[in-house]
Amino acid sequence: DQQVKQNSPSLSVQEGRISILNCDYTNSMFDYFLWYKKYPAEGPTFLISISSIKDKNEDGRFTVFLNKSAKHLSLHIVPSQPGDSAVYFCAASEGGGGADGLTFGKGTHLIIQP
Amino acid sequence: DSGVTQTPKHLITATGQRVTLRCSPRSGDLSVYWYQQSLDQGLQFLIQYYNGEERAKGNILERFSAQQFPDLHSELNLSSLELGDSALYFCASNEGDFNEKLFFGSGTQLSVL
Repeated sequence: DQQVKQNSPSLSVQEGRISILNCDYTNSMFDYFLWYKKYPAEGPTFLISISSIKDKNEDGRFTVFLNKSAKHLSLHIVPSQPGDSAVYFCAASEGGGGADGLTFGKGTHLIIQP
Repeated sequence: DSGVTQTPKHLITATGQRVTLRCSPRSGDLSVYWYQQSLDQGLQFLIQYYNGEERAKGNILERFSAQQFPDLHSELNLSSLELGDSALYFCASNEGDFNEKLFFGSGTQLSVL
């Protein structure tokens, strides 16, 4: 049973527009969420995170929104740039238990078109 | 560059064989994590070591084992390999417990033929 779902395997967005990547989860005990970004031939790199006590966290062009009632989070990238083309993984953990409790989604491949 | 080093980058072997994947964590990090990414799958947590001791286990097969040495580098041993073990294996590290932020290596692509 997949507890973290990224239902869009890929997403194509025009440069300069907003990219919205979505993530749904089923485990109501998840209380910390992260987004990782992965380029080909590289490992994932941490992008942004959010605790369940917040509903929004911003870092430059990247904003993560959390809707606990809907068990849904989204990553907004504004404006989208060519270097944002990558695979984005959503991850969740429960109870401050550390990274061993992280559950990852399958990823969304974001393609920024010029 | 994350500071996490994995070797080799690519490994091709045959069914039934045994291989060892190596990981050097970031300087100062005590925890090492191993993940498997199969085709069309997300990152699956295998096992965590903290300062030489096994700390947590995930979906790791009995044919797989790992260890962390006194210098904090780690090795993942995969034995009696099957075709389905073909995957990208990532090592990640961080300072330790209660820290979800991970620093990943670039992975070892294992192909079992």
